[in-house]
Amino acid sequence: DTGVSQNPRHKITKRGQNVTFRCDPISEHNRLYWYRQTLGQGPEFLTYFQNEAQLEKSRLLSDRFSAERPKGSFSTLEIQRTEQGDSAMYLCASSPRGSGGAQETQYFGPGTRLLVL
Amino acid sequence: AQSVTQLGSHVSVSEGALVLLRCNYSSSVPPYLFWYVQYPNQGLQLLLKYTTGATLVKGINGFEAEFKKSETSFHLTKPSAHMSDAAEYFCAVIPSGSARQLTFGSGTQLTVLP
Repeated sequence: DTGVSQNPRHKITKRGQNVTFRCDPISEHNRLYWYRQTLGQGPEFLTYFQNEAQLEKSRLLSDRFSAERPKGSFSTLEIQRTEQGDSAMYLCASSPRGSGGAQETQYFGPGTRLLVL
Repeated sequence: AQSVTQLGSHVSVSEGALVLLRCNYSSSVPPYLFWYVQYPNQGLQLLLKYTTGATLVKGINGFEAEFKKSETSFHLTKPSAHMSDAAEYFCAVIPSGSARQLTFGSGTQLTVLP
């Protein structure tokens, strides 16, 4: 168990460019979550996958954002036409399959810090 | 909608003193409750969680929290602060039911003074 990994750890881009982040969950975790954290705030939920199915999306996830988990393993989060307001830490978390329901622990990765100039 | 309020964005304590970080939630039905800790440039680590059963929950690193339904609170405590406890602490909830996403408070930065 190597934990949740995220790449890249840091990304600087110019406004209007597209960026893509990758998340590798803990192996055999079937649930994967994306959150966004801005300075001085707690993380905010963006979207959630169970296996390859995207089951829930926050209204924070505008049409410039798209997330995929094609084989139910790693996930990517793409932001098109980045804006300065997209600057934030993007966190990925995973949780295991099981009968524990919503109380199952979410394990977080170290995050990708995005700066849009 | 669920909300989480953490009173005090910054808390300072002396090494060896009691740590008390406050968390209140808004819900007519008790949610599942969590405390996470975040060290600089790292992800969030679970300290403890309350789902059902005993209302006093013990977590890692000597932390504990008590669920008080009548006060809609889930305050985090530690009897004796260590320098290594300096970090940001987040209270979070998942509404009971089918929802799975965490709703976080805005966090409390804990400083431990020598």
